Amino acid sequence: QVQLVQSGAEVQEPGASVKVSCKASGYTFNGYYMHWVRQAPGQGLEWMGWINPSTGATKYAQNFLGRVTMTRDLSITTSHMQLSGLRPDDTAVYFCARSVMGASTKFDFWGQGSLVTVSS
Amino acid sequence: QSVLTQPPSASGTPGQRVTISCSGSRSNIGSNTINWYQQFPGTAPKLLIYSNSQRPSGVPDRFSGSKSGTSASLAISGLQSEDEADYYCATWDDSLNGQGVFGGGTKLTVL
Repeated sequence: QVQLVQSGAEVQEPGASVKVSCKASGYTFNGYYMHWVRQAPGQGLEWMGWINPSTGATKYAQNFLGRVTMTRDLSITTSHMQLSGLRPDDTAVYFCARSVMGASTKFDFWGQGSLVTVSS
Repeated sequence: QSVLTQPPSASGTPGQRVTISCSGSRSNIGSNTINWYQQFPGTAPKLLIYSNSQRPSGVPDRFSGSKSGTSASLAISGLQSEDEADYYCATWDDSLNGQGVFGGGTKLTVL
C-alpha cells in the first residue's frame, strides 16, 4: 500500500535551516510528483512547491523562493525539503503529498506531517 | 490572506444539507479544476473531491462538488456528526508563474 512516512519533529533557532524527509513506498517513486504543503498552528494550508523525482526538476511558490530547496534520493525513494533562514512564523506542520502531475493540487496520499518549531 | 476565499465557518444539524463555497478568479478556479480536502485535528488532509466533482474511491456519495466560472462549492447532504471537520478547496493558479493555492478553510460544526 502507498505510504509516505516523514521524519520527526524538530526545534530550530531563528536563522537556522531545517531539512524534512519523506520516505515513499508502495508505488513507483519516480512516477509521481512530490509536493510540500505547510500548516501553521491553527491556520490553513499553504503550498510550498514540488519536485519531479524522475528528473529532479523543481517548482517553488513565490513566497519561498530563495529559502526552500527540494531534493530527492532515488536510491532510498525519499524526498527532502530544506527551508533556510528560519523565522518564528515558519513554525508549522510540514506535509509531503504526491500527485500525478506537477501543475495539480490533486494530492491522493499525504505524509503524516512533521512539526517544525522555530524558537530561541 | 488566502488566494481562494472560503467562509471561516459553517454549521448544520444531522440530516441537513450544507454547502461550502470557494471563490477565486480567472487565473485559478476560472482556468483549472478544483479539489476539496477534509481535515480532522492533528491529521493530514484527505482528498474528498477532485476535478470539480469526482469522488475518490471510498468517499460517500453524500459529498458532492461543483464549479461555475470562478467559484466552486462543496455540498454535504445527510449531514452526520462525523462530518465535523475543516474543509479546504485547492486549485492551480496560472499567475505568479504558476503555483498551487488553497482556500483559508471552513470549520464545519454539526450541531
